[in-house]
Amino acid sequence: NAGVMQNPRHLVRRRGQEARLRCSPMKGHSHVYWYRQLPEEGLKFMVYLQKENIIDESGMPKERFSAEFPKEGPSILRIQQVVRGDSAAYFCASSRGGGASYNEQFFGPGTRLTVL
Amino acid sequence: KQEVTQIPAALSVPEGENLVLNCSFTDSAIYNLQWFRQDPGKGLTSLLLIQSSQREQTSGRLNASLDKSSGRSTLYIAASQPGDSATYLCAVRPQSGYSTLTFGKGTMLLVSP
Repeated sequence: NAGVMQNPRHLVRRRGQEARLRCSPMKGHSHVYWYRQLPEEGLKFMVYLQKENIIDESGMPKERFSAEFPKEGPSILRIQQVVRGDSAAYFCASSRGGGASYNEQFFGPGTRLTVL
Repeated sequence: KQEVTQIPAALSVPEGENLVLNCSFTDSAIYNLQWFRQDPGKGLTSLLLIQSSQREQTSGRLNASLDKSSGRSTLYIAASQPGDSATYLCAVRPQSGYSTLTFGKGTMLLVSP
């Protein structure tokens, strides 16, 4: 049973380009979470999605960032017009459920974005 | 707003020592607390998860305790080994609302042979 998969593992973009980060949850998991780890900082929550729904995007910047989790295929975190401050490691986690029940999150290996 | 603090930020010990990593959180209304390990350039590996009703969890040489009322948790590593060198992260999940995690900045541990 494969774990959470993220690709690409490393991504280099120039300022102004778009970055697309993909996350495939574990089999049987329908909840996806994105976290960002800036240099010398802890992981910060960005967005929580279920299939075809954004549940909580309170941690995601209002501009340039968007996320989706379609009915088929991986979850996508999209960053438009990247700036140097977007350089970070982006981690995806998945869980079987969410809310008040016990649903452990399992993390992927992360995508390391470097903006030149 | 929940805040998680980890002390110390970095720790260097010789092989064989027992050590304690500390985690504190400001809002005691948590569902559970989890300790992770992160190796350089890698993802997160879950080490121990303590439910809010539990006081401690053990796995091999690792023991994590939780004092929810005082907002503290400790991770005890017995007989440390060079392979334990990594960054250790503490994260809490809120008691209500969505199950997103709030992380501390981590403790970077170096165990020298």
